[in-house]
Amino acid sequence: DAGITQSPRHKVTETGTPVTLRCHQTENHRYMYWYRQDPGHGLRLIHYSYGVKDTDKGEVSDGYSVSRSKTEDFLLTLESATSSQTSVYFCAIAGQASSYEQYFGPGTRLTVT
Amino acid sequence: DQQVKQNSPSLSVQEGRISILNCDYTNSMFDYFLWYKKYPAEGPTFLISISSIKDKNEDGRFTVFLNKSAKHLSLHIVPSQPGDSAVYFCAAGSQGAQKLVFGQGTRLTINP
Repeated sequence: DAGITQSPRHKVTETGTPVTLRCHQTENHRYMYWYRQDPGHGLRLIHYSYGVKDTDKGEVSDGYSVSRSKTEDFLLTLESATSSQTSVYFCAIAGQASSYEQYFGPGTRLTVT
Repeated sequence: DQQVKQNSPSLSVQEGRISILNCDYTNSMFDYFLWYKKYPAEGPTFLISISSIKDKNEDGRFTVFLNKSAKHLSLHIVPSQPGDSAVYFCAAGSQGAQKLVFGQGTRLTINP
C-alpha cells in the first residue's frame, strides 16, 4: 500500500470557521490530489499539485485553497466552512507522468454544522 | 457536464455468478481507463485499467472491456464473491492532463 495518511480522520466544525486538512505521503510522489466524495456525484477533483508550490484547480475548487511547501505534504483549506462542504475528503498521489494510476488515502469525514 | 457516467447506482448479484458493471464516457480525448473499488470508511483502491489501444484486459477474476466506438467500458467479475461487495468507480484520463475524471459509482452487493 502507498504510504498516504490524512489528518484528521474526522472533524466537526461550525459554519464560518476555517478548516485545514492535511495529506502526508512517504512515497516521494510528484503528483498529489484532493477529492471530495458525495452521494450521487462520485469523486470530484478539488485541487491538485504537480510539484512543490505548483498547484491547479479542479472541477469544484470554489471555497477551497491548497498549499504544497514540501513534496510530502499537501494541505487543503476551507477558509470559511459552509454546510455544503460537509463531505468525505480523499487525498491521492501519483508517481509518474506516464502513469495514470492514483493511490488514495483513507479519507477525512468533515461535518459542518 | 458529466464526462464519465455510471448509470446504475446499484447492482445485486448472486455469489458465483458474473457481475457486470458499466461505464460510459463522452470525451473522445480519454485514452486510459481505470476501475477502483471502495469499501466503507476506506479510500478507493486501484483494481484494473485499460489503455485505449486495447479492447480487453484481464487480471484474475476481473476483466475490463473497452468499446471505443460506443465510448463504453465494462468490468466483469467472475465468479463473484462476497468480498466483492463494494462501491466501484470507473475513471478516465487523457495523456498530458495528469488527472482523472470519475463516475458516480455503482454499489455492488453479492448475495450468498
